[in-house]
Amino acid sequence: AQTVTQSQPEMSVQEAETVTLSCTYDTSESDYYLFWYKQPPSRQMILVIRQEAYKQQNATENRFSVNFQKAAKSFSLKISDSQLGDAAMYFCAYRSGETSGSRLTFGEGTQLTVNP
Amino acid sequence: GAVVSQHPSRVICKSGTSVKIECRSLDFQATTMFWYRQFPKQSLMLMATSNEGSKATYEQGVEKDKFLINHASLTLSTLTVTSAHPEDSSFYICSASGSWYNEQFFGPGTRLTVL
Repeated sequence: AQTVTQSQPEMSVQEAETVTLSCTYDTSESDYYLFWYKQPPSRQMILVIRQEAYKQQNATENRFSVNFQKAAKSFSLKISDSQLGDAAMYFCAYRSGETSGSRLTFGEGTQLTVNP
Repeated sequence: GAVVSQHPSRVICKSGTSVKIECRSLDFQATTMFWYRQFPKQSLMLMATSNEGSKATYEQGVEKDKFLINHASLTLSTLTVTSAHPEDSSFYICSASGSWYNEQFFGPGTRLTVL
């Protein structure tokens, strides 16, 4: 079974600074997807960024980028120029690439605080 | 992106009653829908996976007679919490996936409070 671990229950960052959230996973599969989701106080899950395991290039979405280390099974999220609106719970998630209806396995989450 | 709705957003009920939560994919056909439960400051726990027209697959430890899931069409899945008790109070989230999507699209969640 796949597992996802987020070792930082809480993180804080100053506005406009950069912060990195850690995520490691365990799998024996070669085809899979990794995601970072944001859950603000509204509790709506918002997809931040997605990485396909077969792609060597790290995914980037505006101020959000990942450091995908496949051999180390590490998938960290970097938030640059942090904004107050980035404050939320962040979840790392894994999905098998076998079928489109595969389940997501979530990490425990990291609560990010952005200080003005 | 694809839109998923949930209804109701909040529900308060008395212990022993049943509550139905609807999850709808508004602009795509959802071949698979997922139901999660989330306690405060915790991660999402998958309760069950449902494919349109077939029985749901429940995760270990989830009582299928208590949490009834129906996925009768490609745009609607329902979760019925039968004979609800205070310990069933939680935040329930659904998500949906189409056959061509590599991601799940989440509903806004339903907060259930059982008195």
